[in-house]
Amino acid sequence: QSALTQPASVSGSPGQSITISCTGTSSDVGSYNLVSWYQQYPGKAPKLMIYEGNKRPSGVSNRFSGSKSGSTASLTISGLQAEDEADYYCCSYATSSTYVFGTGTKVTVL
Amino acid sequence: QLQLQESGPGLVKPSETLSLTCTVSGGSIISSGYYWGWIRQPPGKGLEWIGSIYYSGSTSYNQSLKSRVTISVDTSNNQFSLKLRYVTAADTAVYYCARETGGDYYILYWGQGTLVTVSS
Repeated sequence: QSALTQPASVSGSPGQSITISCTGTSSDVGSYNLVSWYQQYPGKAPKLMIYEGNKRPSGVSNRFSGSKSGSTASLTISGLQAEDEADYYCCSYATSSTYVFGTGTKVTVL
Repeated sequence: QLQLQESGPGLVKPSETLSLTCTVSGGSIISSGYYWGWIRQPPGKGLEWIGSIYYSGSTSYNQSLKSRVTISVDTSNNQFSLKLRYVTAADTAVYYCARETGGDYYILYWGQGTLVTVSS
């Protein structure tokens, strides 16, 4: 199982919107609407931000949204804030109850 | 509030077996619909799913690690464990235990992570 492909870095100014892509295959992202997104600060455990493609857990800002087209999922952060500067990972269900993570994207707030 | 805590040696010699235990508190490991998993992250690199187990003992593993990994569950002590055999320096990583939600396939609860270094 190969890692899902994400851009290494994405940046934006405060208040702007940014989108992080996550490209998989027909064996994972393309076949299931089961993509989740995680935010990770240095030295900390990941935090769930989006699940089932576009659902937000309780407590996650509505500035975070998810979508999918074909084998590519996306995470959009609108109204970018300084606190959004972190690493972001996508994750998809794959076959036989397994998971595959993305390569990770570093978000920088300019 | 569910909490998970990893424990085990922080240093393992090459070719030996890495052993970690995750203790679950604030909830029972015998919970329908939830799986108990391990994820790792080499220093400065991305996340890699290792595998998971249901309280019944049913397991799923990352194909790339399957030949070296065993995950087991101890329901009497509300714990689950990871064994990774024949380790090399490439297995040096922060190891996280986590609760996976079956059906929807996401991870809401994570342990704080524990760094395991493989070195002689």
